Amino acid sequence: AQKVTQAQTEISVVEKEDVTLDCVYETRDTTYYLFWYKQPPSGELVFLIRRNSFDEQNEISGRYSWNFQKSTSSFNFTITASQVVDSAVYFCALSEDRDNYGQNFVFGPGTRLSVLP
Amino acid sequence: DVKVTQSSRYLVKRTGEKVFLECVQDMDHENMFWYRQDPGLGLRLIYFSYDVKMKEKGDIPEGYSVSREKKERFSLILESASTNQTSMYLCASSERLAGGSYEQYFGPGTRLTVT
Repeated sequence: AQKVTQAQTEISVVEKEDVTLDCVYETRDTTYYLFWYKQPPSGELVFLIRRNSFDEQNEISGRYSWNFQKSTSSFNFTITASQVVDSAVYFCALSEDRDNYGQNFVFGPGTRLSVLP
Repeated sequence: DVKVTQSSRYLVKRTGEKVFLECVQDMDHENMFWYRQDPGLGLRLIYFSYDVKMKEKGDIPEGYSVSREKKERFSLILESASTNQTSMYLCASSERLAGGSYEQYFGPGTRLTVT
């Protein structure tokens, strides 16, 4: 069965520090997709990135970067030079290719990031 | 711009009341979902619908039902609310993307308190 673990329940950093959010997943499928979502205090989940299992290239988008390593089943998310606006709950999620309707998204428990001024 | 709206941001109900949570999407998506979010548990799927009048149970359907009479609207119903249904409820819709994955779009959530 698929599973997503986010071992860090809460992280606090001071503004401008770099921070890495960990995500470890389990799946028996060879084709799958990994996601990160941000949930600010307003409540709405905001899509950040999607990565398929055949693409292990790391990605950078501004201050955000993602490190996908199939060998360790990890998909970690790093925020460089954190800002107060980055304070949110971040969810990692997994979807397998045999998902017919998008119903098999499995979410991790989330990591609450607090960036202090 | 993609939009999923939910009828209420905050709701307080009494034990035993029938509760309706409404969700509307304007993206013409076929698939819609109801999740509940609890601290430390992430999001758990309650029900989903892949077409009008079609519904499937998710991981935690007990105590809930759903209705999808129109493509854009997906309702979650708590027949007799209980205190253990106090939670954040998130609605989502999704579309299948070229390349095989899905992208889910979420509403702002309804924080339901049952007293």
